[in-house]
Amino acid sequence: DAGITQSPRHKVTETGTPVTLRCHQTENHRYMYWYRQDPGHGLRLIHYSYGVKDTDKGEVSDGYSVSRSKTEDFLLTLESATSSQTSVYFCAISESGGRASTYNSPLHFGNGTRLTVT
Amino acid sequence: GNSVTQMEGPVTLSEEAFLTINCTYTATGYPSLFWYVQYPGEGLQLLLKATKADDKGSNKGFEATYRKETTSFHLEKGSVQVSDSAVYFCALMDNFNKFYFGSGTKLNVKP
Repeated sequence: DAGITQSPRHKVTETGTPVTLRCHQTENHRYMYWYRQDPGHGLRLIHYSYGVKDTDKGEVSDGYSVSRSKTEDFLLTLESATSSQTSVYFCAISESGGRASTYNSPLHFGNGTRLTVT
Repeated sequence: GNSVTQMEGPVTLSEEAFLTINCTYTATGYPSLFWYVQYPGEGLQLLLKATKADDKGSNKGFEATYRKETTSFHLEKGSVQVSDSAVYFCALMDNFNKFYFGSGTKLNVKP
């Protein structure tokens, strides 16, 4: 398994509270991603990062922010959680970068964080 | 924009039956295509991939061929086992390293 650790694994929080999810990798991969998984929607990209301090929005970025101050850590923050953000959140990493051997590198996923907003 | 469409499930088969899960895509440029598998309570695991037209990806008896003319990447296995029961996701990666996933197809294999 790729060295990806998500924390916490489970969290229950109340509407309106801030929440931060952490993804930690030991692979030194350049790309990191946050997805959410919901029934009937598959996986949808929230934000991704292509390097330290370099991030971009995905298809469902509203209500979420991210930060990447170190290669190994990618944080996802819900500034004010809402019930619609109840979901399973997956972090993923990819080696893709400048070296030809890393082109078309697949994603490797963490085991997910189950977030419930009450 | 880029998107992936895969057949809805669940798909229920008896052990040793032939499996096909359909996947079609819409993309600009030259995407790479992937199949991932997810077991209960776990993250997605790469099953196989193909990076250019006519490539065939294969792993653990599963295979899929990148068909540019039909924009398809159907997953097949000749003889499924109970242990293959899982959710299968088709995905594409665009030229900017962004991945797009289908909605997933749940496979149930009965003994």
